[in-house]
Amino acid sequence: TQLLEQSPQFLSIQEGENLTVYCNSSSVFSSLQWYRQEPGEGPVLLVTVVTGGEVKKLKRLTFQFGDARKDSSLHITAAQPGDTGLYLCAGAPNYQLIWGAGTKLIIKP
Amino acid sequence: DAGITQSPRHKVTETGTPVTLRCHQTENHRYMYWYRQDPGHGLRLIHYSYGVKDTDKGEVSDGYSVSRSKTEDFLLTLESATSSQTSVYFCATQGTGGFAGANVLTFGAGSRLTVL
Repeated sequence: TQLLEQSPQFLSIQEGENLTVYCNSSSVFSSLQWYRQEPGEGPVLLVTVVTGGEVKKLKRLTFQFGDARKDSSLHITAAQPGDTGLYLCAGAPNYQLIWGAGTKLIIKP
Repeated sequence: DAGITQSPRHKVTETGTPVTLRCHQTENHRYMYWYRQDPGHGLRLIHYSYGVKDTDKGEVSDGYSVSRSKTEDFLLTLESATSSQTSVYFCATQGTGGFAGANVLTFGAGSRLTVL
């Protein structure tokens, strides 16, 4: 069974702090996506990374795809309460998308 | 408002009763998916459709059936609901490419089902 493991499962920090969350697997992925999900809503795509070593920035969010395309990280600089949510990674090792269990992030004002 | 509409948004039912969840999209997307989301498990694929009347099973399809008679509608049916099917169900669509990871999934807001 191919798995995507996300860590930490839960993170609660103060506004203004930096944080990094991880998405790891023993499998190689052709691409990897990050989604954010807010309570009572469906996930919304943040970014897709497709090239090993790729770094993408979305305002204060920085996404990196590992060189071996087995892992990814999401770094948030100067976190804000609006960043609160469940962050999910999803990867396509083949034709089927698989999902991590998510990191629940709470940013306290 | 365009996009994906799921109904009902909330439902409480009893064990053994049939339940149908509806997903309606206005995007004219070819691919549609039903997922369930449970704490600690992430999103798990139940069934998917790659066109009208073309459907296939996902990883957790037991106890569920689907139908797609029109491009815009994808129905998920629990023939005889069980407590283990208590979950939040999400419908998603994708315009092209099936599961190709570079393509975006667009999700509905979810349907919370409680089976007593």
